[in-house]
Order: sequence, then C-alpha cells, then structure tokens
Amino acid sequence: QKEVEQDPGPLSVPEGAIVSLNCTYSNSAFQYFMWYRQYSRKGPELLMYTYSSGNKEDGRFTAQVDKSSKYISLFIRDSQPSDSATYLCAMRQAGANSKLTFGKGITLSVRP
Amino acid sequence: SAVISQKPSRDICQRGTSLTIQCQVDSQVTMMFWYRQQPGQSLTLIATANQGSEATYESGFVIDKFPISRPNLTFSTLTVSNMSPEDSSIYLCSVERTENEKLFFGSGTQLSVL
Repeated sequence: QKEVEQDPGPLSVPEGAIVSLNCTYSNSAFQYFMWYRQYSRKGPELLMYTYSSGNKEDGRFTAQVDKSSKYISLFIRDSQPSDSATYLCAMRQAGANSKLTFGKGITLSVRP
Repeated sequence: SAVISQKPSRDICQRGTSLTIQCQVDSQVTMMFWYRQQPGQSLTLIATANQGSEATYESGFVIDKFPISRPNLTFSTLTVSNMSPEDSSIYLCSVERTENEKLFFGSGTQLSVL
C-alpha cells in the first residue's frame, strides 16, 4: 500500500460545480497536510496548508483533514475554468528534516 | 512565499550528454531540494542541496548521475549526467522557509532526451 493514494482522474466538471478532491494515507504520523495546484508547464503552487485535523477555508477553497480516517479533502466552490489544473496532495510528519510525501495528482478540467 | 527562478525551462538533449539546471532564489534559504516529476507518478525527491557540504541523496539516486552544487544560500544547480531517454522528465527546484516549513517550487525544467 502506498503511503499516499490519490484518485488519478481525470475529472471534468461544468463551471459553477462544487469539486471534491480526496487523498487517503497510511502513515498516522503525518501532521501537516497540503494541497498544491499545478498549471500546465508550471511548478506546483501551494494552495492550502493545514496542521492536524479540522477545516481551513480560503475563499472558494476549503481543506479538510480527518486524521481518524486518514483522509484529506479539498473542496472548490463555484468552480471556474481558471481552476483547471492538476491538484496534488502532500503531507509530512512533524520535526525538522521530515520530507513531503506527494500523491500522484489529479487533473481537473472545468468546462465553461 | 519565495520567488524561485529556474532555467532552462525546457530542453531537448541527445543521449549521452549532460544538462545543468540552475535554481536562483530571491532570498537566502536554508533548505533547497531537487525533485523529479514523471508522467503519472508522484513527485519524487532526488536530493537535498546543503550549503557548504555535499548533497544528501534519496534512495535510487546517486551523485555520479545527479551531481548537485550549492555554493551559497540563494543558488543551486542540478546536473543530469550521461542522459538516456529514461531521464526525460520535469525537474523541479524547491525551497523551504524555515519559519513556516512550507515548501515552494520553481517553474520546472522540462527535459526530453532523444
């Protein structure tokens, strides 16, 4: 079992839809959880950063962490064509020198 | 965040040659990393570039194939040596801000080896 599993997609939704992106993980020591957005021919851009369990909201984006289920989600409300990108989940343990473990990423396409 | 300039942005190289990728950061950072991103695969850490000492390589990556330099706190290079088509990938430089432990990426180098 891989440490981080992410549905590879791709995912296509109409403009205005609510999008739910998910990752599961097996390492209970993970404490920090991130979502990156990567546009074509660009590097990953940090979108959301959360510590431990709970929700974090930033505009149309909500990150949710459920450590008991080892499950994280990213919700995008009122999706826009500009949200079309690859979304990567990532996570790490606490402590110096801990490394990020990434999911494979899911490509989202928002149709006008 | 951090402004990370990476070049070249893309290159097409012949088998057996080497390519050096440069990464410049707009401010001093302690931790710099090099990643590889292959289609359908997770981002894979190649090595951690340590200022003033040798890079620390992850399992499956060796210094002879991927030599790294880190002459100061704002700059690093990754060389992909004796390239083969299997080295075709996106290579990404990243930096970590010690104060918040967030990882930021450069725009990447798309490498194609013929």
